[in-house]
Amino acid sequence: AQSVTQPDIHITVSEGASLELRCNYSYGATPYLFWYVQSPGQGLQLLLKYFSGDTLVQGIKGFEAEFKRSQSSFNLRKPSVHWSDAAEYFCAVIHTGTASKLTFGTGTRLQVTL
Amino acid sequence: GAGVSQSPSNKVTEKGKDVELRCDPISGHTALYWYRQSLGQGLEFLIYFQGNSAPDKSGLPSDRFSAERTGGSVSTLTIQRTQQEDSAVYLCASSLELAGGETQYFGPGTRLLVL
Repeated sequence: AQSVTQPDIHITVSEGASLELRCNYSYGATPYLFWYVQSPGQGLQLLLKYFSGDTLVQGIKGFEAEFKRSQSSFNLRKPSVHWSDAAEYFCAVIHTGTASKLTFGTGTRLQVTL
Repeated sequence: GAGVSQSPSNKVTEKGKDVELRCDPISGHTALYWYRQSLGQGLEFLIYFQGNSAPDKSGLPSDRFSAERTGGSVSTLTIQRTQQEDSAVYLCASSLELAGGETQYFGPGTRLLVL
């Protein structure tokens, strides 16, 4: 069965610093890859997704992610973090060619210090 | 237009009671999903509806859980004889299911507490 690993449960960065959140997946073929953000008391909002093509994808709020097949990774990055980015971030995958149910990682909680 | 809406936003019930959770998807979205978010299990898929096809129920944790989607729009998730381990946030999402892997838009969730 495919799985998604987010090795960092909690990350703290200073406002203005760069950010990288890690995500690894285990699956034989390239799945569809997603990053979602969840602010306290809010639903999940899509930041970006990768299906195929260019391995560097741009998302909303200044986020980007890079798909690396050789490392089975899809890390999320932002050059300069804002205090409003404090939230929980989820990496997720969908099997290609099967029903579109998302399999989520366990999430990374981001804290931003001023 | 409006996003995915869910009701109630919060529900407190006693162990053994039945509960119904409602989801109104985005108009025109043919696919509807239910997920559960709990401290112990994280975010997990429950059930998926696509058009007139038979739903994918592979994520339902027990036969106490059921869901239906009426008229291809509104969906209701029912939990019978609730247990304390059912306490979680139940999230609904909808999408345009065209070629697969379409973006799923999530509602704010229903927070269920079983006492």
